[in-house]
Amino acid sequence: AQSVAQPEDQVNVAEGNPLTVKCTYSVSGNPYLFWYVQYPNRGLQFLLKYITGDNLVKGSYGFEAEFNKSQTSFHLKKPSALVSDSALYFCAVRDPTTGQGGKLIFGQGTELSVKP
Amino acid sequence: GAVVSQHPSRVICKSGTSVKIECRSLDFQATTMFWYRQFPKQSLMLMATSNEGSKATYEQGVEKDKFLINHASLTLSTLTVTSAHPEDSSFYICSAVGGGYYNEQFFGPGTRLTVL
Repeated sequence: AQSVAQPEDQVNVAEGNPLTVKCTYSVSGNPYLFWYVQYPNRGLQFLLKYITGDNLVKGSYGFEAEFNKSQTSFHLKKPSALVSDSALYFCAVRDPTTGQGGKLIFGQGTELSVKP
Repeated sequence: GAVVSQHPSRVICKSGTSVKIECRSLDFQATTMFWYRQFPKQSLMLMATSNEGSKATYEQGVEKDKFLINHASLTLSTLTVTSAHPEDSSFYICSAVGGGYYNEQFFGPGTRLTVL
């Protein structure tokens, strides 16, 4: 069965420092991986995705993620955190065999707090 | 990118009444729409998958008679919470796939339902 794990409920970083939000996955075949961000009382905003190709994926707002097949990980990173990055972050995976309308399986979410 | 809207953004109703939530894809045709439920600071729980012109597919444990889903057109899906009770209070989010945007779900802003 497909699954996604975000081992940290909360990540705290100081503004200007690099940040990492961890994600590991379990899926048969090649995974389609996504990161979304959610601000309070809002829907999810797409940050980036990995489908195929270069393992380092660059996304919105300066975020990037590295696909590591051997470690089955897709950690989200940013070189210099901003206070405005404080939000709830979700990693998700879709089984590519399910096609375009396939379900997303979400991790538990990680709350990122960036302090000035 | 594609835009998905939800209406209303917030609704308060009395116990026993029914509430309808609309999900619209504004600039693309959504062949598939998903309905999620989210409790505070928790992950998204998929409730059902809705394909235009056919019956929705509900996830295990979701009462189809309680949560009526209609996907009558390629731009509109509705979720009706029938005979709502306080335990139905939650944040409901829809997402849509289609319009040539492959491999990506676009999320609505969410609807906060409070049942008194």
